[in-house]
Amino acid sequence: SAVISQKPSRDICQRGTSLTIQCQVDSQVTMMFWYRQQPGQSLTLIATANQGSEATYESGFVIDKFPISRPNLTFSTLTVSNMSPEDSSIYLCSVGGWSSTDTQYFGPGTRLTVL
Amino acid sequence: SQKIEQNSEALNIQEGKTATLTCNYTNYSPAYLQWYRQDPGRGPVFLLLIRENEKEKRKERLKVTFDTTLKQSLFHITASQPADSATYLCALDTQGGKLIFGQGTELSVKP
Repeated sequence: SAVISQKPSRDICQRGTSLTIQCQVDSQVTMMFWYRQQPGQSLTLIATANQGSEATYESGFVIDKFPISRPNLTFSTLTVSNMSPEDSSIYLCSVGGWSSTDTQYFGPGTRLTVL
Repeated sequence: SQKIEQNSEALNIQEGKTATLTCNYTNYSPAYLQWYRQDPGRGPVFLLLIRENEKEKRKERLKVTFDTTLKQSLFHITASQPADSATYLCALDTQGGKLIFGQGTELSVKP
């Protein structure tokens, strides 16, 4: 299993600003994923971040809006840029695809409110 | 496109009864399906994984079935307890380890 922490746990931001969310894992992992969970909705994958390569974004998400860094095998950041109230959501990072279980482990999430 | 549907309405049951949650999917043949539990303000927690060649899987009071013909998975919690109250998500694999999640079913177990 993996223990994942995220910072900040929550934040309230003004429209037009940017917020960087950090994700730290207690072990080295190849793949990290960033998800968004809007109020009352399920999780939607934003991008996959592999160390040493550019993140792969899902349809509807672009690097200019959600730049991602993956400097090493235990850490990643997601930035929500030029925020609008529609970006209010919970952002979660996850790791998985290791060993033979194919399970994913999630961080506690960052609750973002944009005014 | 791939689509996953879970019971949209909250499920309310009495303590001690069996809770049954449904996950249906279309336009896809996943290699495996997963069930997660999510409590308010927390990230999802993995419960069970069942592969396409498995009909049923059990873990303590939990049981998952996977019918690839019906494109459906059922998630059962036997002898339910108030502590089982949470939202339960099913998820299907796609290429590269990515998961597609259902919208979740909120379960409430009354004492």
